[in-house]
Amino acid sequence: NAGVTQTPKFQVLKTGQSMTLQCAQDMNHEYMSWYRQDPGMGLRLIHYSVGAGITDQGEVPNGYNVSRSTTEDFPLRLLSAAPSQTSVYFCASSYRTGGGYGYTFGSGTRLTVV
Amino acid sequence: SQKIEQNSEALNIQEGKTATLTCNYTNYSPAYLQWYRQDPGRGPVFLLLIRENEKEKRKERLKVTFDTTLKQSLFHITASQPADSATYLCALPGDTGFQKLVFGTGTRLLVSP
Repeated sequence: NAGVTQTPKFQVLKTGQSMTLQCAQDMNHEYMSWYRQDPGMGLRLIHYSVGAGITDQGEVPNGYNVSRSTTEDFPLRLLSAAPSQTSVYFCASSYRTGGGYGYTFGSGTRLTVV
Repeated sequence: SQKIEQNSEALNIQEGKTATLTCNYTNYSPAYLQWYRQDPGRGPVFLLLIRENEKEKRKERLKVTFDTTLKQSLFHITASQPADSATYLCALPGDTGFQKLVFGTGTRLLVSP
């Protein structure tokens, strides 16, 4: 049981490049989400999904796209990287939305945009 | 709009003492509140959830209280150990949708031997 797996762990991009951060969970969790964590800002929600085929925006969605074609995978796409997207990105999943189930987080992707 | 406040200053305590961390929130009445632990370079780890109709919840050396009148949660670690040193985050369901879990910025706890 691997939990939530994020790849890559580290990435350096040039401004304007695009890339996809991968996230997979093997717990059959209904809910998945992406957060970014910046010093002094805490974790901020980018996008989330309440099930396969259903996604919605969080607090800071601009510059990012998501899709959820399967229950297991929830990739985050950076369309045209900007230095402001330098951050640590965490994927999280939860058994079900509502009712208050704890989130399981991945180990994060540290992204630097130069 | 919803606001979550945790003390940004680190809390330094001696081993064996009880650590108490505070989470205050405004402009909202959440149905529950969660606490997480985060170690450097790692993702947060879920510790406890307390619902609005629960005053207190315990798990081993951890105790969480939830005062919906004061809009405050206290997180206690009894008999603290150096291994408890980490950043502790509180989180609430978003006021614009329970699917959007909103996190405080966390309080760093340092337990010295």
